[in-house]
Amino acid sequence: DTEVTQTPKHLVMGMTNKKSLKCEQHMGHRAMYWYKQKAKKPPELMFVYSYEKLSINESVPSRFSPECPNSSLLNLHLHALQPEDSALYLCASRVGPSHEQFFGPGTRLTVL
Amino acid sequence: DQQVKQNSPSLSVQEGRISILNCDYTNSMFDYFLWYKKYPAEGPTFLISISSIKDKNEDGRFTVFLNKSAKHLSLHIVPSQPGDSAVYFCAASWTGNTGKLIFGQGTTLQVKP
Repeated sequence: DTEVTQTPKHLVMGMTNKKSLKCEQHMGHRAMYWYKQKAKKPPELMFVYSYEKLSINESVPSRFSPECPNSSLLNLHLHALQPEDSALYLCASRVGPSHEQFFGPGTRLTVL
Repeated sequence: DQQVKQNSPSLSVQEGRISILNCDYTNSMFDYFLWYKKYPAEGPTFLISISSIKDKNEDGRFTVFLNKSAKHLSLHIVPSQPGDSAVYFCAASWTGNTGKLIFGQGTTLQVKP
């Protein structure tokens, strides 16, 4: 299994809603990442988990709350988002000391 | 401060010809470089990478060249195919970090039949 999966594929939410994005990988990778990507821009790093511990938070607003329940699963909890948070949210994972990150297909989030 | 730059926003090439995508970097700490390909509404797909101890890495139709003195790398696609039409991101990393990738702004490649 060489895949990173993300659910849901699309999500529309209001500014008062609470929702969660889910990411899963079964490649034994011990580093997992959340990125945000706006149209015609490169992926922008949000969070890094290494061995299930948060190692990097790129000054992301607290309305985004990551969680890593186990080595295969990564969640991103969303609350009180703004319309400008609408974007493609990408999850990625990396094996050991290598630099290559493998990305999931993303969740297209629209905040109304 | 943009540490990784892809100065050409777009490139158009005829099918069967060579596509050359360029990338420049400024940070001397970078010692590993990667190329990703991205279709609309999909996640980036890893293509090829190169360590700073090498100056060339080849994988099928894709070759990456690294010129450390010029802080420049390029991705060659030969022969180009219409299915190669996508956005290509150059990314850089360095040993000892937690795998943080610094991406360029991307180059949109169009391969015309």
